[in-house]
Amino acid sequence: NAGVMQNPRHLVRRRGQEARLRCSPMKGHSHVYWYRQLPEEGLKFMVYLQKENIIDESGMPKERFSAEFPKEGPSILRIQQVVRGDSAAYFCASSPRQGTNTEAFFGQGTRLTVV
Amino acid sequence: AQSVTQPDIHITVSEGASLELRCNYSYGATPYLFWYVQSPGQGLQLLLKYFSGDTLVQGIKGFEAEFKRSQSSFNLRKPSVHWSDAAEYFCAVGASGAAGNKLTFGGGTRVLVKP
Repeated sequence: NAGVMQNPRHLVRRRGQEARLRCSPMKGHSHVYWYRQLPEEGLKFMVYLQKENIIDESGMPKERFSAEFPKEGPSILRIQQVVRGDSAAYFCASSPRQGTNTEAFFGQGTRLTVV
Repeated sequence: AQSVTQPDIHITVSEGASLELRCNYSYGATPYLFWYVQSPGQGLQLLLKYFSGDTLVQGIKGFEAEFKRSQSSFNLRKPSVHWSDAAEYFCAVGASGAAGNKLTFGGGTRVLVKP
């Protein structure tokens, strides 16, 4: 059973471009979480999605950021018109069901560099 | 709102010596607590978790943690550190209910192991 797959592992974008980060959850997992880790900091929650639904986006910046988890295919975190401050590692986690008494499994992250 | 504090940003320990990493949390209800390890450039690996029951939790790689409700702490320990334990360690608290596995992370403790 493959783990949580994120791609690309590294992404370089120029200021003003769009960044698309993909996350394929573990088989059988229908809950996906995105976190952002700024340099020298811990992870900060961004958004929680189930298939075709955004459950909690309280950690998402109000502009330029969006996330989806379609019925088919991976979850996508999209950042439009990237700025230098968006440079960070973005981690996806998945779990089989809702509830904190279940473990969320993390991917290896996508490291975004904005130049 | 919940929060997690890891007071030690860096810890240096000699190989073979014991290690204790501190974690204090703030949460209004019964906390669900986690310790993760992150090696450079890698994702997060779960070391152990506390949901309920025995307050001394055993994890992988010889780690254990003790939940102390009176002190709002969940400190991580290892009796004898190996060079491969050099990494960054994150404590996290989970939100229950509709928030699913939404985790709040501490800022991390970077562990350096001296030969």
